[in-house]
Amino acid sequence: LAKTTQPISMDSYEGQEVNITCSHNNIATNDYITWYQQFPSQGPRFIIQGYKTKVTNEVASLFIPADRKSSTLSLPRVSLSDTAVYYCLVAERNAGNMLTFGGGTRLMVKP
Amino acid sequence: NAGVTQTPKFQVLKTGQSMTLQCAQDMNHNSMYWYRQDPGMGLRLIYYSASEGTTDKGEVPNGYNVSRLNKREFSLRLESAAPSQTSVYFCASSGTGGSNQPQHFGDGTRLSIL
Repeated sequence: LAKTTQPISMDSYEGQEVNITCSHNNIATNDYITWYQQFPSQGPRFIIQGYKTKVTNEVASLFIPADRKSSTLSLPRVSLSDTAVYYCLVAERNAGNMLTFGGGTRLMVKP
Repeated sequence: NAGVTQTPKFQVLKTGQSMTLQCAQDMNHNSMYWYRQDPGMGLRLIYYSASEGTTDKGEVPNGYNVSRLNKREFSLRLESAAPSQTSVYFCASSGTGGSNQPQHFGDGTRLSIL
């Protein structure tokens, strides 16, 4: 089963760029890497998804090296409202529509 | 658009009672999911339905049953609630395309079992 490893927590300050790295050594050829954000008392929210190289949207960038064994979510110029838990997921091989959420990274943005 | 709607938002049960959690989506998605999230933990998949008429077990199915009533609705039933099932339950849906499709989540049902 593909599993992900990411830091349990990170601290940052407003205005800084935050990079959260996720390891997924057993990623399958057809798997995509997806990141979700979860605020307290809410369900997770899709942020970004990628397969290789770099993907950018209005919220974040996702960097994936050629071997795809890791990925880095980059949040530019974070604000207090970016304080949340961030989950890195890869699709499970031969498991239908199953996704495995790990413990996520708890990001605390300080003023 | 409402997206994914879960009812109720909060519920307290006594051990042994039964209950059905309701979930409905208005995005015409084929796939629907039920997760539980214990305090300070990630989400764990209970059951999912890849399409109308099909359901499959996830990581932690014991003690639960599900019904995919139609394309819009996917319910989760606790037949005999236990304190270990105290958790926040999230329903999600996604479009056709397998695990790579982003999932859209409801705001959860907070369930306490005494």
